[in-house]
Amino acid sequence: GESVGLHLPTLSVQEGDNSIINCAYSNSASDYFIWYKQESGKGPQFIIDIRSNMDKRQGQRVTVLLNKTVKHLSLQIAATQPGDSAVYFCAENTGNQFYFGTGTSLTVIP
Amino acid sequence: SQTIHQWPATLVQPVGSPLSLECTVEGTSNPNLYWYRQAAGRGLQLLFYSVGIGQISSEVPQNLSASRPQDRQFILSSKKLLLSDSGFYLCAWRRWTGTGNTIYFGEGSWLTVV
Repeated sequence: GESVGLHLPTLSVQEGDNSIINCAYSNSASDYFIWYKQESGKGPQFIIDIRSNMDKRQGQRVTVLLNKTVKHLSLQIAATQPGDSAVYFCAENTGNQFYFGTGTSLTVIP
Repeated sequence: SQTIHQWPATLVQPVGSPLSLECTVEGTSNPNLYWYRQAAGRGLQLLFYSVGIGQISSEVPQNLSASRPQDRQFILSSKKLLLSDSGFYLCAWRRWTGTGNTIYFGEGSWLTVV
């Protein structure tokens, strides 16, 4: 299977600060990447995606950056809110298969 | 609208008992469907995926099997559960986001084998 990892298993940020969650992937052939948010007891929720021919994509308060040279993906959350507390997963797609990292647990401190 | 449902939401089963988890999607046809398992505090492990009726691909050898008897129905089964089968089981389907074909998850099924 593919190897998708995260640099840090936990991250704590102050409410209102920006959060950055990082992810490394190993398969150079992967051409599509996704970030998910998983709240306790629920299924992962799609946040934002990016194709390998892009370096950056922005959504509402979130930005995904892709560095193909070092096979690194990051999710930036602006003005982090208590509702952002969750586990965040990156995923890479090759063909019909999606492989997930182990997740980073984000805690927002009020 | 396009939705995905899976059930039951929670179940407690004794070791050696059978298992059947069901997943259905609505509002689409011929979707790619997936079963993932998530152990407590761990990432998502791909178990099976299906590109059509009767077509199942298995990612890891295990005590589980999957079937796709209808276009929008995906079933995860076991004849005899093991303690190690406990976990959070997630059905997912593939949809176009405008950027790529990503997978969207159902609500999940919590399985505890005792």
